[in-house]
Amino acid sequence: DIVMTQTPLSLSVTPGQPASISCKSSQSLLHSDGKTYLYWYLQKPGQSPQLLIYEVSSRFSGVPDRFSGSGSGTDFTLKISRVEAEDVGVYYCMQGIQLKWTFGQGTKVEIK
Amino acid sequence: EVQLVESGGGLVKPGGSLRLSCAASGFTFSIYSMNWVRQAPGKGLEWVSSISSRSNYIYYADSVKGRFTISRDDAKNSLYLQMNSLRAEDTAVYYCAREAISGQPPQWGQGTLVTVSS
Repeated sequence: DIVMTQTPLSLSVTPGQPASISCKSSQSLLHSDGKTYLYWYLQKPGQSPQLLIYEVSSRFSGVPDRFSGSGSGTDFTLKISRVEAEDVGVYYCMQGIQLKWTFGQGTKVEIK
Repeated sequence: EVQLVESGGGLVKPGGSLRLSCAASGFTFSIYSMNWVRQAPGKGLEWVSSISSRSNYIYYADSVKGRFTISRDDAKNSLYLQMNSLRAEDTAVYYCAREAISGQPPQWGQGTLVTVSS
């Protein structure tokens, strides 16, 4: 099974400042179809996870452009250019290249 | 619009059984693999089980193997999870989710809560 490792596990950010979360997979997430099946989710307090980024860098519908994803192979990064109060919650990376999905441990983001 | 609606959650005693259902609409259900994912209170996301199109491939997390059974009825556009020998640690919100394919991200339902308690 693919192991997903996120760092850091918690982050305290001043509003307006940038934030970055790393996600590393134990195997390449590059599929033979040329796509890389890496996703980022945000789970706000009391809510279901919501998709932010799919296939490494594509923003899902309605996601603000302050969120961006990058990376390739086994190393990936989610960046928030200017953190806002509404961005608090737990961020998860997820691999979908295998039918057995696996998730990172989650990164809790709070506002200073 | 893709919709996945879970049902069947509730309170059950340890050792009991429960059957979750997921009604799918807005896409051709039969051609997609489907998954169940759960989240225990205060914990992270945990993949539970997957079933391929035509049910050719079925996988389970070690934590539920031998106790849970995933199935699908393509004629009814429905996914199921039969949960037997339930334990307190199975308490979680259970999400039904559609596989990701090129250009199409995974789709999730809103979840159904399963509580195992005496």
